[in-house]
Amino acid sequence: AQKITQTQPGMFVQEKEAVTLDCTYDTSDQSYGLFWYKQPSSGEMIFLIYQGSYDEQNATEGRYSLNFQKARKSANLVISASQLGDSAMYFCAMREGDDYKLSFGAGTTVTVRA
Amino acid sequence: EAQVTQNPRYLITVTGKKLTVTCSQNMNHEYMSWYRQDPGLGLRQIYYSMNVEVTDKGDVPEGYKVSRKEKRNFPLILESPSPNQTSLYFCASRETRRHYGYTFGSGTRLTVV
Repeated sequence: AQKITQTQPGMFVQEKEAVTLDCTYDTSDQSYGLFWYKQPSSGEMIFLIYQGSYDEQNATEGRYSLNFQKARKSANLVISASQLGDSAMYFCAMREGDDYKLSFGAGTTVTVRA
Repeated sequence: EAQVTQNPRYLITVTGKKLTVTCSQNMNHEYMSWYRQDPGLGLRQIYYSMNVEVTDKGDVPEGYKVSRKEKRNFPLILESPSPNQTSLYFCASRETRRHYGYTFGSGTRLTVV
């Protein structure tokens, strides 16, 4: 079974608007961590934000926030005030329990329009 | 600067010609790992290492080998590359204590013809 599901292959967003990228996860571990990475066309993986399963507050990092809904097993990324430089592929990933492995979703391509 | 360095960045090779992709980290991390990225599949783990001389298979290990003779280096070896190994490869490392402290290399784009 897929551990991370990203259902949006591609999205368009207008500059300065907010965009929400969906991510649902599947785990039976009580302790886990959720990550979002950005991959621009140059190919590198850029860490954006992290949410631990025991963290009570939703994680925020600048224009990025993670909408963590534990009961629904969702960890959506919200990018506020989109910029042209936000055009990239975005990956949701999860670490479970004591395992160091990251399980990734298929990714969502975001294109920001001027 | 703390980093994971992969080489080469780009490589085109022919079927069956052995190749090695190098990975080196300068953060004294115990854990290192290799992933491959394919369209529609995201990143999948190939091999990982918890420390020197300790390696284990990930989700897609077939056709790959690794070694961990020194803590800083974790090369990925393709003994007989095939076209289905054409992919974008990433090396990553993490220190033991920080659950979110993963560092990725810049990636190696491999084409096998």
